Amino acid sequence: KQEVTQIPAALSVPEGENLVLNCSFTDSAIYNLQWFRQDPGKGLTSLLLIQSSQREQTSGRLNASLDKSSGRSTLYIAASQPGDSATYLCAVYGGSQGNLIFGKGTKLSVKP
Amino acid sequence: SQTIHQWPATLVQPVGSPLSLECTVEGTSNPNLYWYRQAAGRGLQLLFYSVGIGQISSEVPQNLSASRPQDRQFILSSKKLLLSDSGFYLCAWSGGGVLADTQYFGPGTRLTVL
Repeated sequence: KQEVTQIPAALSVPEGENLVLNCSFTDSAIYNLQWFRQDPGKGLTSLLLIQSSQREQTSGRLNASLDKSSGRSTLYIAASQPGDSATYLCAVYGGSQGNLIFGKGTKLSVKP
Repeated sequence: SQTIHQWPATLVQPVGSPLSLECTVEGTSNPNLYWYRQAAGRGLQLLFYSVGIGQISSEVPQNLSASRPQDRQFILSSKKLLLSDSGFYLCAWSGGGVLADTQYFGPGTRLTVL
């Protein structure tokens, strides 16, 4: 059974810092991995999707990497801003269609 | 562009009452549709998904049911709510016929069962 773990559960950094969020998964037989952002009381916003054949994806100040063999992914946020404060969720896709398995998220707080 | 709507945004219901949450998608055809629940302190859990009208797959046994009466409409229902049904319910869609495509989420419905 696929399990997704995100460390740390919460993170507080000063504005301008570069930071890394971690995601690990137990079953490496995945199709892709997605990173989402969730603001309090809101739905999820897709940030990046990495296919199983890819090593990384970049969007603006965000860079996500995938090491499928070791069951790890990282989300790198450069020059963090207070507007980046949110919960970041990692999810892996494997098995039957629609079966997206989520981690519990990392709650990020960027202090001005 | 595609948009996804959910209503109501918030709902407070007594135990034993019925439930109907609605999700609609605009700007796309034949989407795959999903219902997730996010309970306090727990990750998102997939409840149901649908690849077409009238086609519903359930991921976990529960007190809820889902229906897809139209191509871009997905409904989550219950005949009698339980306290454990409280949570944040999210609807999502992805491109139909494409496995492992990006999923796009709606704004969610906060359900409190008292």
